[in-house]
Amino acid sequence: DIQMTQSPATLSASVGDRVTITCRASQSIRNCLAWYQQKLGKAPKLLMYDASILESGVPSRFSGSGSGTEFTLTISGLQPDDFATYYCHQYIRYPGTFGQGTKVEIK
Amino acid sequence: EVQLLESGGGLVQPGGSLRLSCVVSEFTFSSYAMSWVRQAPGKGLEWVSSVSDSGDRVDYADSVKGRFTVSRDNSKNTLYLQMNSLRAEDTAVYYCAKIGPRKQWLSPFDYWGQGTLVTVSS
Repeated sequence: DIQMTQSPATLSASVGDRVTITCRASQSIRNCLAWYQQKLGKAPKLLMYDASILESGVPSRFSGSGSGTEFTLTISGLQPDDFATYYCHQYIRYPGTFGQGTKVEIK
Repeated sequence: EVQLLESGGGLVQPGGSLRLSCVVSEFTFSSYAMSWVRQAPGKGLEWVSSVSDSGDRVDYADSVKGRFTVSRDNSKNTLYLQMNSLRAEDTAVYYCAKIGPRKQWLSPFDYWGQGTLVTVSS
């Protein structure tokens, strides 16, 4: 199985900050990577797919980049609604695997 | 608005069985593959199973292979997960998820249900 490793596990930031989350794959996944946002007690929400394509309705302050084995999710200008846990997910082959999550909390 | 609504979760003893259902609306169910993804309490996300749009192709995580069966009824816009021989480690919130936005077997999950909690305990 392809292992997905996210860093950091927890990120403390303030409203307005620019934050970056990294996701590394144990082997090349080309650009077959998605990012999800999950708030406490809620279902995950798709933010980004194909590494850099913004899902419809997602604010443009979210951006994604990378290919192969290293990927980043950037939030430019953190908003109060963005404090949540973020997961990366590879879908180049089954079984699809997720990173362990990055919790973005208020500093 | 696309909606996915799971049901069927609950408390079950180890070795028992449970059948989850997921009724969907506001998209052409028969055109998309579907999946089940679970999340143990306080843990991350784990893909469980997927079924193709027609139901003729299925796949399972090794952790549930031989115990869980995924199926769908396109006439009822409903996805199912039959769970047998349940173990304590199967305790989790189970989400149904639509594979999309492309109509491809290998795609992310663009819509999720609210989840149903399965607790396996004596």
